Amino acid sequence: SQTIHQWPATLVQPVGSPLSLECTVEGTSNPNLYWYRQAAGRGLQLLFYSVGIGQISSEVPQNLSASRPQDRQFILSSKKLLLSDSGFYLCAWRGRSSYNEQFFGPGTRLTVL
Amino acid sequence: SQQGEEDPQALSIQEGENATMNCSYKTSINNLQWYRQNSGRGLVHLILIRSNEREKHSGRLRVTLDTSKKSSSLLITASRAADTASYFCATDSATDKLIFGTGTRLQVFP
Repeated sequence: SQTIHQWPATLVQPVGSPLSLECTVEGTSNPNLYWYRQAAGRGLQLLFYSVGIGQISSEVPQNLSASRPQDRQFILSSKKLLLSDSGFYLCAWRGRSSYNEQFFGPGTRLTVL
Repeated sequence: SQQGEEDPQALSIQEGENATMNCSYKTSINNLQWYRQNSGRGLVHLILIRSNEREKHSGRLRVTLDTSKKSSSLLITASRAADTASYFCATDSATDKLIFGTGTRLQVFP
């Protein structure tokens, strides 16, 4: 069966510090991978998605970046965090069929102080 | 920007009552999906309805889709306290990504 992991679960970082959030998927190959951000009590904002190793599509211009160094690994990074980067970050994967659902990880709660 | 907009934003009901949530979207779609999110957790897929379908059932869930009005509804029958969560619609336009709505927060009181 497929599983998706995210870490860390919670993170408190000072403004201006770097960020690295990791997401890994098990039990599937060549998935589409997604990073979302969710502000408190709000919907999901798609940040990045990837259809293959090294292929990243950015949806929202910001000080975040994403990388996919391996087939089932997706990393969200920042060189210098802003207060506005606080939020709940969710990673998801999806199979190749256009009728597939997305499977979400448990999320990372990021607080920038 | 998000394509889906849900209505109402928040809904409070008693156990045993039915809960109806609506979703509107802007462009043509391949399918529409509904997800549930418990507080502080990831989203869980509930049901998918294809663009050529009008109604679909899964247990206590009933989803309708009206592509002429670009809208969908999710009905939860005989609600339980455990149904308390946020519910999101998501549209798939065959572009490798889903566009999520703003969500409906459902509170079911025992």
